[in-house]
Amino acid sequence: AQSVSQHNHHVILSEAASLELGCNYSYGGTVNLFWYVQYPGQHLQLLLKYFSGDPLVKGIKGFEAEFIKSKFSFNLRKPSVQWSDTAEYFCAVNAGQGNLIFGKGTKLSVKP
Amino acid sequence: DSGVTQTPKHLITATGQRVTLRCSPRSGDLSVYWYQQSLDQGLQFLIQYYNGEERAKGNILERFSAQQFPDLHSELNLSSLELGDSALYFCASSAGITHYGYTFGSGTRLTVV
Repeated sequence: AQSVSQHNHHVILSEAASLELGCNYSYGGTVNLFWYVQYPGQHLQLLLKYFSGDPLVKGIKGFEAEFIKSKFSFNLRKPSVQWSDTAEYFCAVNAGQGNLIFGKGTKLSVKP
Repeated sequence: DSGVTQTPKHLITATGQRVTLRCSPRSGDLSVYWYQQSLDQGLQFLIQYYNGEERAKGNILERFSAQQFPDLHSELNLSSLELGDSALYFCASSAGITHYGYTFGSGTRLTVV
């Protein structure tokens, strides 16, 4: 069965620090990959997605992610975080079926 | 507002009871997905409907059932509720059977006491 692992449960950063959140998936075939963000008290919103082509994907709010097929990874990055980036971040994979498989999420707390 | 409407936003009920959660997908979307979000299990896929038909089933308990109506809204029925069913229940929609990213609703927070 497909699965998604997010290694960091809670990350605490100061404003302007760089961010990298890890995501690994288990599936040997073609995958579509997603990062979602959930701000406190809100619904999940799509940050970015990868289907094919350039493995470096740019999303909204200055986020980007890199797909490394050999490592089964899709890490999320942002060069300089802001207090408003405080949220929970979810990595997800679609391995051909209709539904998405989500990781357990990483809480990001940004100190002003 | 994402365009996916879930009601009610909050629900408190007693063990053994039955509740119905409702979801209206974004206009034009034919697929509806239900997820359960709890602290220990994360986001768990429950079930998917496409244009009124069940398309995929995940970790949905036998006490839970769902359906999608001709107007494309969906209902998730939870019965014989247990304390462990307390969670956030999210609905998401997408245009087709497969998708290019879901649109999520704001969720229904269910508390079983």
